[in-house]
Amino acid sequence: DTEVTQTPKHLVMGMTNKKSLKCEQHMGHRAMYWYKQKAKKPPELMFVYSYEKLSINESVPSRFSPECPNSSLLNLHLHALQPEDSALYLCASSQEDGYNQPQHFGDGTRLSIL
Amino acid sequence: AQKVTQAQTEISVVEKEDVTLDCVYETRDTTYYLFWYKQPPSGELVFLIRRNSFDEQNEISGRYSWNFQKSTSSFNFTITASQVVDSAVYFCALSDDTSGTYKYIFGTGTRLKVLA
Repeated sequence: DTEVTQTPKHLVMGMTNKKSLKCEQHMGHRAMYWYKQKAKKPPELMFVYSYEKLSINESVPSRFSPECPNSSLLNLHLHALQPEDSALYLCASSQEDGYNQPQHFGDGTRLSIL
Repeated sequence: AQKVTQAQTEISVVEKEDVTLDCVYETRDTTYYLFWYKQPPSGELVFLIRRNSFDEQNEISGRYSWNFQKSTSSFNFTITASQVVDSAVYFCALSDDTSGTYKYIFGTGTRLKVLA
């Protein structure tokens, strides 16, 4: 079992829907990340939160909106997505935000846009 | 520029064979970190090892071993006596302070299939 929990595991939504992905960790980590992974590709960084503040946005379209309500929770709000947004969305956390930090990943949410 | 190359796209071995996954990296920083992650079909990336640029000692953990050679900019991963449960995609990643964003630069991954 992973220590980073993501819900839901699978999500199918239409292009006009609004949905949210959730991520939770109880390891006391202060940095949390969202990644997008397409099939047969490595993960691509989307957002980084450090101490509950957004520190990195990798030029992600505004139809993806992250939120960090507290140090254990990370949400990704989805609105008006496109078919090309279908992917595995991975959440990760690390003790601090730094380049020496190993990241711990959740199982991901498999998102399909109809 | 930073880059990680995993030239082996897919490797198939028979159970109990040894297998080495190659990773070659490029960076201009003298301080950097290298990581290996395993991604089984379930999806999560499992952290395997972190190595900093000043520590060239090889590491062994059970059936897993890592060979870090700065002279060839390589950080190779060997699985001894492979098992079916080792079947997964393995990613090598580099992290340094070049861009100041503390971002992982992932290789494209190597899919390992261990056949019974």
